[in-house]
Amino acid sequence: GAVVSQHPSWVICKSGTSVKIECRSLDFQATTMFWYRQFPKQSLMLMATSNEGSKATYEQGVEKDKFLINHASLTLSTLTVTSAHPEDSSFYICSARMGTASTDTQYFGPGTRLTVL
Amino acid sequence: QKEVEQDPGPLSVPEGAIVSLNCTYSNSAFQYFMWYRQYSRKGPELLMYTYSSGNKEDGRFTAQVDKSSKYISLFIRDSQPSDSATYLCAMSAWSNYQLIWGAGTKLIIKP
Repeated sequence: GAVVSQHPSWVICKSGTSVKIECRSLDFQATTMFWYRQFPKQSLMLMATSNEGSKATYEQGVEKDKFLINHASLTLSTLTVTSAHPEDSSFYICSARMGTASTDTQYFGPGTRLTVL
Repeated sequence: QKEVEQDPGPLSVPEGAIVSLNCTYSNSAFQYFMWYRQYSRKGPELLMYTYSSGNKEDGRFTAQVDKSSKYISLFIRDSQPSDSATYLCAMSAWSNYQLIWGAGTKLIIKP
């Protein structure tokens, strides 16, 4: 199956610092990647849709200046949490869309656990 | 009303039992239906993918889609303790590939 990696798998940072999370599709090209946030015992919440070579589309209520997304290539998207605060602590998961003639679905990375002190 | 309804459980069954997980939805535009399995502190893993109505089988897993009733199911045969996880249904429409998620059902298989 398609493989998506995410780095780092966990990060602890001080309040006010910025954290970058990388999402890579390892064996396929993904024109579209998605960033999700998940709180404990809750389902995934879509934060933004990232298209290669263009600006990301953010969901309502997600601050685009705080969560910077860059989709520089067909295999790499990055999420930067700027000036992180404790309320940004969460599990961040990326996914990459694989669209072919017979399938259109998303493959997920393993997630990044962010803890802001 | 949520677009996709899924009972969060937990659902606890003995090892070897047949498990039935379900989701209902309200948007008739949904064409793609997926089941993901998520272990604690891990990203979701795609289990089954179905386009439009019908059944699909893969090993111990069977996915069913009934578009007339707006109802999808995932059956797990010969359930194992390693199947204990949260199972999320997701679906999307042809024109919009954003996934709409169910809440996830926590499944516990007791040895």
